[in-house]
Amino acid sequence: EVQLVESGGGFVQDGESLRLSCAASQFVFNTYAMSWVRQAPGKGLEWVSTVSGRGDGTYYPDSVKGRFTISRDNFKNTVYLQMNNLRAEDTALYYCAKAFDDSGYTYERGFDFWGQGTMVTVSS
Amino acid sequence: QSALTQPASVSGSPGQSITISCTGTSSDVGTYKSVSWYQQHPGKAPKLMIYDVDKWPSGVSSRFSASKSGNTASLTISGLRTEDEAVYYCSSQARRSTLVFGGGTQVTVL
Repeated sequence: EVQLVESGGGFVQDGESLRLSCAASQFVFNTYAMSWVRQAPGKGLEWVSTVSGRGDGTYYPDSVKGRFTISRDNFKNTVYLQMNNLRAEDTALYYCAKAFDDSGYTYERGFDFWGQGTMVTVSS
Repeated sequence: QSALTQPASVSGSPGQSITISCTGTSSDVGTYKSVSWYQQHPGKAPKLMIYDVDKWPSGVSSRFSASKSGNTASLTISGLRTEDEAVYYCSSQARRSTLVFGGGTQVTVL
């Protein structure tokens, strides 16, 4: 069974940085794009970033572009999210999610496996 | 990159059918075939229920069906069961290689 295990969340002050990790197993990691999706307490889902299977393509919404950087290490089967200049509105549970499509680039078709999330709290 | 519009809540009795709408624009739902639906129970990660507008991932019940017309996608749950009580989210591919989610719909089984 596919496993995604997030780590690295915590409590930080406004303007500080944090790096999240997601360790993946039980699938051919470099075949799939990987994404981060967040959920603020009591709120809905928000797509945060995606990295292609080979790591040569990254995608972000305007809300985090320039502050967040997604990357992956296909030898360690791990995806990362470097979050800089954090704001109170970044407070959320951050999920790691695997793309359903095995092209390595397409992620918009859906996410078929999700981790349990790691909580990030930013205090202003 | 505005969120897709979903009703806040929908309810129905066991055995009934309910439909959840997901309204976007010509920049997302109206243009792309990559519309998905997710089910989320309290304290759990989301589960993919529908992809590519109307297709089922392996293991998902055919009681869940979906469609799209213009800028609006819809998810129908037939033969409503107590375990279907959850929050449902739609998502769609959008312009400039982005992805947008709906605000979520709480389904209550009366």
